Amino acid sequence: DIQMTQSPSALSASVGDRVTITCRASQSISSWLAWYQQKPGKAPKLLIYEASTLESGVPSRFSGSGSGTEFTLTISSLQSDDFATYYCQQYNSYWTFGQGTKVEIK
Amino acid sequence: QVQLVESGGGVVQPGGSLRLSCAASGFTFRSFGVHWVRQAPGKGLEWVSFIRYDGSDKYYVDSVEGRFTISRDNSKNMVYLQMNSLRVEDTAVYYCAKQSGRYSDYWGQGTLVTVSS
Repeated sequence: DIQMTQSPSALSASVGDRVTITCRASQSISSWLAWYQQKPGKAPKLLIYEASTLESGVPSRFSGSGSGTEFTLTISSLQSDDFATYYCQQYNSYWTFGQGTKVEIK
Repeated sequence: QVQLVESGGGVVQPGGSLRLSCAASGFTFRSFGVHWVRQAPGKGLEWVSFIRYDGSDKYYVDSVEGRFTISRDNSKNMVYLQMNSLRVEDTAVYYCAKQSGRYSDYWGQGTLVTVSS
């Protein structure tokens, strides 16, 4: 089974900050990685797929990079609507999610 | 617009059964696979099961293999998750998610399953 490890598990940031979240796969998954945003009581929302492709309608301040086993999600200038929990997901073999990164207001 | 609506959750005793339903609309249902993903209270996301667009292949996470059964009815735009021999650790919000490529572009709002005596 492919394991996904996200870091950090939580972070505090201010509006306007640049935020980076890292996701590491236990084996190579090529670019078969997605990022989701989840707010309390809501379903996850797709942000990025194939490691770096922005889903339609998602603000351009979100970007993804990486391939193989190391991936990052970057929010270039954090907005108030971005405070949420973020999950990476590999879909190279079935699905596995990272444990999540909670982005909180500093 | 694409909609996925889960139903069937509730409170059940350990060892009991529930059948979850996922009603889909707004897309050509018979052309897409569907996943079930769960989230225990305060925890992260866990993939549970997947069914191909035509029902020809079904996959399960090890922890539910032999207890849960996924199925679909393309004439009704429905996917089901039959859950038997439920355990306390199966307590979670269960989401159905439409496959796009190999990830998911749409999720339902979830249905809560509570396994408790």
